[in-house]
Amino acid sequence: AQSVSQHNHHVILSEAASLELGCNYSYGGTVNLFWYVQYPGQHLQLLLKYFSGDPLVKGIKGFEAEFIKSKFSFNLRKPSVQWSDTAEYFCAVNVNYGGSQGNLIFGKGTKLSVKP
Amino acid sequence: EAGVAQSPRYKIIEKRQSVAFWCNPISGHATLYWYQQILGQGPKLLIQFQNNGVVDDSQLPKDRFSAERLKGVDSTLKIQPAKLEDSAVYLCASSSLGGAEITGELFFGEGSRLTVL
Repeated sequence: AQSVSQHNHHVILSEAASLELGCNYSYGGTVNLFWYVQYPGQHLQLLLKYFSGDPLVKGIKGFEAEFIKSKFSFNLRKPSVQWSDTAEYFCAVNVNYGGSQGNLIFGKGTKLSVKP
Repeated sequence: EAGVAQSPRYKIIEKRQSVAFWCNPISGHATLYWYQQILGQGPKLLIQFQNNGVVDDSQLPKDRFSAERLKGVDSTLKIQPAKLEDSAVYLCASSSLGGAEITGELFFGEGSRLTVL
């Protein structure tokens, strides 16, 4: 069965620090990859997604993620975090079966706290 | 555009009682999902509807959980009888595409937090 691992449970950074959140998945075939974000008191929303093409994907609010197929990874990065980036971040994967897609499988999430 | 609406936001019940959650997806979205998110974990799919048909309910504990989407619009998730381990946030999400063409852009509601005592 497919699974998603997020290495960090809670990350604490100061404003302007660089961010990298790890995500690894287990599946040897073609996958679609996503990062969702949940700001305090708000609903989950899509941050960015990868389906094919350029493995470096840019999302909203200055976030980007790089798909490294050989490492089964899709790490999220931001060069300089802001206090408003405080949120919980979820990596998610679904299997691309060609004509159809599997269900979205989420990691356990990483809580990011940014100190002003 | 109105988002995904869920109610109630919070519910506290005792074990063996029943509870129902309601979801109204974004207008026009054919696909509707119910997820369970236990504290400290990511969301886990319980059931997926496309219009009023079930696409996937393989992870739904059918001895106590049921869900319906009779007219292909809003949906209800019921738990009867509830157990302590059902304490979680129940998330509803919708998508404009069919189950076979999912792009991953799910639009989530704010969730219904259930506490079972």
